[in-house]
Amino acid sequence: SQTIHQWPATLVQPVGSPLSLECTVEGTSNPNLYWYRQAAGRGLQLLFYSVGIGQISSEVPQNLSASRPQDRQFILSSKKLLLSDSGFYLCAWSVHPIEDTEAFFGQGTRLTVV
Amino acid sequence: KNQVEQSPQSLIILEGKNCTLQCNYTVSPFSNLRWYKQDTGRGPVSLTIMTFSENTKSNGRYTATLDADTKQSSLHITASQLSDSASYICVVSAFAGNNRKLIWGLGTSLAVNP
Repeated sequence: SQTIHQWPATLVQPVGSPLSLECTVEGTSNPNLYWYRQAAGRGLQLLFYSVGIGQISSEVPQNLSASRPQDRQFILSSKKLLLSDSGFYLCAWSVHPIEDTEAFFGQGTRLTVV
Repeated sequence: KNQVEQSPQSLIILEGKNCTLQCNYTVSPFSNLRWYKQDTGRGPVSLTIMTFSENTKSNGRYTATLDADTKQSSLHITASQLSDSASYICVVSAFAGNNRKLIWGLGTSLAVNP
C-alpha cells in the first residue's frame, strides 16, 4: 500500500534561518506531488506541484522553493525565513492531477518562525 | 467572498446524534466535489469525492449529497462518535480558464461531546 511521510512534525525557526522540509512517498511510482500551506482562517493554498523529477511548478510568488531530486521525494526550502512563512505545511500526492482524483496528504509540519 | 462557503462554522453535538454540514459554492462549472476530514494538527483525509453526475455518495456513517443545480452539497454524519470531532472541509474542483484548480472551503469544526 502507498504511504506518505512528512517531517518534521513541528519546527521553530528564527527569522532569517534556512528551511528544509522533506516529503517521501512509498508504494507508488511517478506520483504527482504537491506542497500546500494552511494558514489560520484560510483554506489550503497550493504552493508547488511536480509531475516528475526536476519538474516544479509554482503557484504563488513567495520566499519558498521546491525541488524533486528523486521520483518519490519532494523538498520545500527557504534560504531565509520570514515571519510570514509561519503556518501548517502539507505534502500530498496523487496518481493523476489532484484536480481529477483522490489526493493523499501527509501529517503536516507546523512551522513557527520567531 | 470565498467561492466555497461552509456552514455552520462550528458545531457541537452529543455522541450518538446525527448532524448535517453544508457547503455552497459559486464556481462554475466544476468537475468534482470532495469532502475531507482533518483532525487537529494532522493532514486532511478524504471522505468522499463526487463527480458532476453523482447525487449521493456514502462512506460508512458519512453520506454526502450534491445538487449541481443549486450548487449545494451536504455531509451527513450518522450516529456520531467522539472520534468524529474534527474539521470537515468541502473542496470543489473548478475550471479556471484552461486549467483546473481545487477551491478549498474554510471548514466546519465539529465537536462531539460524551
